[in-house]
Amino acid sequence: DAKTTQPTSMDCAEGRAANLPCNHSTISGNEYVYWYRQIHSQGPQYIIHGLKNNETNEMASLIITEDRKSSTLILPHATLRDTAVYYCIVQDDKIIFGKGTRLHILP
Amino acid sequence: EPEVTQTPSHQVTQMGQEVILRCVPISNHLYFYWYRQILGQKVEFLVSFYNNEISEKSEIFDDQFSVERPDGSNFTLKIRSTKLEDSAMYFCASTEVLAKNIQYFGAGTRLSVL
Repeated sequence: DAKTTQPTSMDCAEGRAANLPCNHSTISGNEYVYWYRQIHSQGPQYIIHGLKNNETNEMASLIITEDRKSSTLILPHATLRDTAVYYCIVQDDKIIFGKGTRLHILP
Repeated sequence: EPEVTQTPSHQVTQMGQEVILRCVPISNHLYFYWYRQILGQKVEFLVSFYNNEISEKSEIFDDQFSVERPDGSNFTLKIRSTKLEDSAMYFCASTEVLAKNIQYFGAGTRLSVL
């Protein structure tokens, strides 16, 4: 089973920052936090990952709390194409997808 | 940008027939995976494959399923005798050895069993 808890759904206005939270209170010291997303009917897409430091790439930023029990994925300027299900995954050997957060970007 | 390619995009078959789903992973990747997603449900892990053998499989991956890397580029999933409940999207993924959880997924094959 997935080791993470995410809200079922969220809305965000187009052009605003979308902040997607994830709780992973049982994370162990060597486990990374990964984020993927699945746009409708497409294959999952890797977004970003981190261990304990905040990370940023061309798609998003990842903020991990100091105790590593939760994290937030930030899409800085959400567009309609960011509408998708976002998965927060904590695993060190394989990917187990939970139900994720369905993010709706509103025009 | 390199990508994982899956064919066909949609496969329709009769119950009890054998189907082979095909995948061409990214060329320098060495770990390969199959997942499935029944309509409206989660993406479920089926099997991982490395060094020409299965490294892990889920309880879904029973004797009706098999995987093969018949040549240096293709990775296939065979379902021996399809059942109605095998209807789903099937996704192939691949990854470099050192970044096992950064997986690149194909667009999927929609399997419809009638």
